[in-house]
Amino acid sequence: AQKITQTQPGMFVQEKEAVTLDCTYDTSDQSYGLFWYKQPSSGEMIFLIYQGSYDEQNATEGRYSLNFQKARKSANLVISASQLGDSAMYFCAIFQGDAGGTSYGKLTFGQGTILTVHP
Amino acid sequence: ETGVTQTPRHLVMGMTNKKSLKCEQHLGHNAMYWYKQSAKKPLELMFVYSLEERVENNSVPSRFSPECPNSSHLFLHLHTLQPEDSALYLCASSQDWSSATDTQYFGPGTRLTVL
Repeated sequence: AQKITQTQPGMFVQEKEAVTLDCTYDTSDQSYGLFWYKQPSSGEMIFLIYQGSYDEQNATEGRYSLNFQKARKSANLVISASQLGDSAMYFCAIFQGDAGGTSYGKLTFGQGTILTVHP
Repeated sequence: ETGVTQTPRHLVMGMTNKKSLKCEQHLGHNAMYWYKQSAKKPLELMFVYSLEERVENNSVPSRFSPECPNSSHLFLHLHTLQPEDSALYLCASSQDWSSATDTQYFGPGTRLTVL
């Protein structure tokens, strides 16, 4: 079974500084995808960045980058130059496609990390 | 309209009421999902539809009844709910539910309160 662990319930960062949100995962499958989502207080889950298990380069999307360490099974999100609008809940998720006879792909989420950006 | 929309955004209902949540996606995707997000719990997958066919019912009580009339619309019919069903219900869509590279895009959610 897949599992996502986010060990930081809450994080604080000063505006314009960088912050790293931790994510470790557990899966026995060789092919999987890792995702980060942002959830503001409004409730919508906003897709931020994706990393495939076979990707050799770390994914980057604007101010977001993913520090992917496959051997350690970690996929930490790095937000550079934090902005006040970055204050939100951040979720790490793993997607495992059809494997072992299951009939569907499943996205498993972690518990989330609340990020607060101070001015 | 773009992306994934959900209505209503907020819903308060009694335990004997019947209501429906609506989701619509404008992304041309083939798969749609219902998730439940309770306080202090990770998102829980409830249902998956691919090309209007249900491919997963994740042990959800029968008081939740999904309906997918076409690939753009998804409903969640609610009846005789319990107070513990109060949660944020999120709809999502994606291109290919079985691919590990597939990205799910979420709607804004319906915040449901059961009295």
